[in-house]
Amino acid sequence: GQSLEQPSEVTAVEGAIVQINCTYQTSGFYGLSWYQQHDGGAPTFLSYNALDGLEETGRFSSFLSRSDSYGYLLLQELQMKDSASYFCAVRDQRDTGRRALTFGSGTRLQVQP
Amino acid sequence: GAVVSQHPSWVICKSGTSVKIECRSLDFQATTMFWYRQFPKQSLMLMATSNEGSKATYEQGVEKDKFLINHASLTLSTLTVTSAHPEDSSFYICSARDLVGGQRRGYTFGSGTRLTVV
Repeated sequence: GQSLEQPSEVTAVEGAIVQINCTYQTSGFYGLSWYQQHDGGAPTFLSYNALDGLEETGRFSSFLSRSDSYGYLLLQELQMKDSASYFCAVRDQRDTGRRALTFGSGTRLQVQP
Repeated sequence: GAVVSQHPSWVICKSGTSVKIECRSLDFQATTMFWYRQFPKQSLMLMATSNEGSKATYEQGVEKDKFLINHASLTLSTLTVTSAHPEDSSFYICSARDLVGGQRRGYTFGSGTRLTVV
């Protein structure tokens, strides 16, 4: 089976940088993904790491260390609209499009003025 | 990009009735769709995997006779909550992936259905 751990809540101010950590345990490993979900909305895909290192997409970056079973999402230049829940997710089977994701418990980010 | 349309967005039903939720992939074919349930302030929990032309695969603890899944075409999957009870009130979300896009595009989610059983 799989399990993922994330902090439950993070608070930061506008313009700041925040890092959301995720540790995982899986029987196999085929990448770590990050999703954003605003209250009442659907999750939206942010990033995916299959290999060690940092992936940057605009203000968001994601890092993976497979040896440590650890990853993080880095949000820079925080904006009020970034207030949302952030989920890390894994799939423990080779991707065929037929394997669902397992999500972490989610980190609720609150950005304050 | 890949779009998944889910209807209805919200529904209120009486206890004992059935509710059908539809999920359509609009610009790609989805041989597989996933149905999740999310309770307030909690994570998404996989209920079942819907496979086009074959039976759905249910996660442990999910009653297949209560949550009926039909995946009759490459673009449509439906979830029917039968004999709904207040404890079935939740946010139901479907998901699929456009395989053409590759893993960098991630999975696409429907907008979700807020079910309230009274």
